[in-house]
Amino acid sequence: DIQMTQFPSSLSASVGDRVTITCQANRDVKKYLSWYQQKPGKAPKLLLSDASNLGAGVPSRFSGTGSGTNFTLTISSLQPDDIATYYCQQYDNIPRTFGRGTKVEIK
Amino acid sequence: QVQLLESGGGLVKPGGSLRLSCSASGFTFSDYYMSWIRQVPGKGLEWISYISPSDYSRYYTPSLKGRFTISRDNAQNLLFLEMNDLRPEDTAVYYCARQKRSFDYWGQGALVTVSS
Repeated sequence: DIQMTQFPSSLSASVGDRVTITCQANRDVKKYLSWYQQKPGKAPKLLLSDASNLGAGVPSRFSGTGSGTNFTLTISSLQPDDIATYYCQQYDNIPRTFGRGTKVEIK
Repeated sequence: QVQLLESGGGLVKPGGSLRLSCSASGFTFSDYYMSWIRQVPGKGLEWISYISPSDYSRYYTPSLKGRFTISRDNAQNLLFLEMNDLRPEDTAVYYCARQKRSFDYWGQGALVTVSS
């Protein structure tokens, strides 16, 4: 199985801050990486696919970069609505695997 | 709009069986791969299985293969997950998701509790 390592596991930032979350795969997954946002009590929502393609209706303050084994999700200006846990997920190999999540809170 | 609605969750005793359903609407169900994903309360996400649109190819995470079976009924726009020999560690919220490589739409989830 491909292991996905996310860091940090949690962060606290102020409204308007730039926030970066990192995801590392222990094998090359090319560009086949997605990011999801999950709010408490809700299902995950797709933010980005193919590492950098914004999902439908996702605000442009979210962006993604990377390929191979190293990926980042950036929120350019953190908003109160962005309080959530963020997961990366690879779809280059079976089984599909997720990172353990990064919980984002407002300072 | 795309909607996915799981049903069939509940309380089951260890060793028991349960069948989850996912009703799809708002898109051509038979055109899409579909997946099941679960989440232990307060924990992360675990992909369980996916099924192809028409040739019914199925893939499973190795640890669950043999106990869990995915299937679909394209005529009824339904996705199923048959779960056998359930264990307390299978307690989780089970989501169905439409799969376009990424999981682009998710249901609201069905809670399965395995306890005596």
